[in-house]
Amino acid sequence: GENVEQHPSTLSVQEGDSAVIKCTYSDSASNYFPWYKQELGKRPQLIIDIRSNVGEKKDQRIAVTLNKTAKHFSLHITETQPEDSAVYFCAASKGDDKIIFGKGTRLHILP
Amino acid sequence: KAGVTQTPRYLIKTRGQQVTLSCSPISGHRSVSWYQQTPGQGLQFLFEYFSETQRNKGNFPGRFSGRQFSNSRSEMNVSTLELGDSALYLCASSILPTGNTEAFFGQGTRLTVV
Repeated sequence: GENVEQHPSTLSVQEGDSAVIKCTYSDSASNYFPWYKQELGKRPQLIIDIRSNVGEKKDQRIAVTLNKTAKHFSLHITETQPEDSAVYFCAASKGDDKIIFGKGTRLHILP
Repeated sequence: KAGVTQTPRYLIKTRGQQVTLSCSPISGHRSVSWYQQTPGQGLQFLFEYFSETQRNKGNFPGRFSGRQFSNSRSEMNVSTLELGDSALYLCASSILPTGNTEAFFGQGTRLTVV
């Protein structure tokens, strides 16, 4: 079955710098890759997703890139702000199958 | 529009007991998925229901079961509770099967087994 590896498990960046979180997946048939953000004590919420027919997608300070050949995808956050502090989860799915999540990355934005 | 509602929010149970958790999806959503969240393990998929049918199942023992009603509300049951079942249980609803579209999560039920 699908397996999603996420790195790093913890990431600290200075406010204003960029943060990058990387994920790899095992099933080459996976075609949907969402990213969820979970703030402390709150529910996970979708922040961006990408499908296998595109290589990159941007939404303001957030971007996701996908390399199907290497089976990895990354989340990029630019100009980080204190409210970006949270746990971020990547996930992969074959579309008609269950979503498999990575174990999460705890992002700390340092003042 | 009301979000995904999970009840109860907190539960304390004794080892060996059973527990039932409830999830009311967003109106119009026919898919409900359940996840177990523990520190360091992320979100582990339990099962997904769509239009009252279980579509997918994760790698959990048979003590974990679920069902979905005609109004799309879902329940999850855990029998013969073990200490290791202590976790935050999240459900998520979506219009289509979860693998295709955004999932909206509830706030979770925190289960503590003592």
